[in-house]
Amino acid sequence: AQRVTQPEKLLSVFKGAPVELKCNYSYSGSPELFWYVQYSRQRLQLLLRHISRESIKGFTADLNKGETSFHLKKPFAQEEDSAMYYCALGGGGADGLTFGKGTHLIIQP
Amino acid sequence: DAGITQSPRHKVTETGTPVTLRCHQTENHRYMYWYRQDPGHGLRLIHYSYGVKDTDKGEVSDGYSVSRSKTEDFLLTLESATSSQTSVYFCAIRDGAGISNTGELFFGEGSRLTVL
Repeated sequence: AQRVTQPEKLLSVFKGAPVELKCNYSYSGSPELFWYVQYSRQRLQLLLRHISRESIKGFTADLNKGETSFHLKKPFAQEEDSAMYYCALGGGGADGLTFGKGTHLIIQP
Repeated sequence: DAGITQSPRHKVTETGTPVTLRCHQTENHRYMYWYRQDPGHGLRLIHYSYGVKDTDKGEVSDGYSVSRSKTEDFLLTLESATSSQTSVYFCAIRDGAGISNTGELFFGEGSRLTVL
């Protein structure tokens, strides 16, 4: 069975500090990993996907198959980064994505 | 944003009443999903559809049924709502076709359901 673990329910950092949101997964096949962001009471939006290896809003994430991790990082946090972040895992099948429980990121001024 | 709308956006109902939530897409995407979002649980898959009249159960399907009679519409029905079904319900769609298919889901704005 596939599983996504986000160990931190809440992460609070000061503006300008580095941010790392952890995500570990369990999957026997070739995984597709994503990070989604949800600003207050809005729809989930795709932030990053591992196959793109891109940087969006200063965030990056590298898939580490050895450690089965896909941690989200940003070197300098901004107040507008405050949101819920979800790590998601897919196997390319019809049954969509499996989501972690989410990390609530709060950036303090 | 992907053309996906949910209705109603907010609903308050009483225990034991039937409720239907609608997801409508204008993208002609093959796959459609219903998730529920609850604090401490993240998003959990209720049901999904891989084509017209083709549906399957997700992780938390008990108490829910779905129908997809047209590509663009995916209905979620609570036959007899219970307080444990108070949640925010999100519909999502995926193309699932072509070499550019990455498995990414596009989400609707959510439907907030309160069962008293």
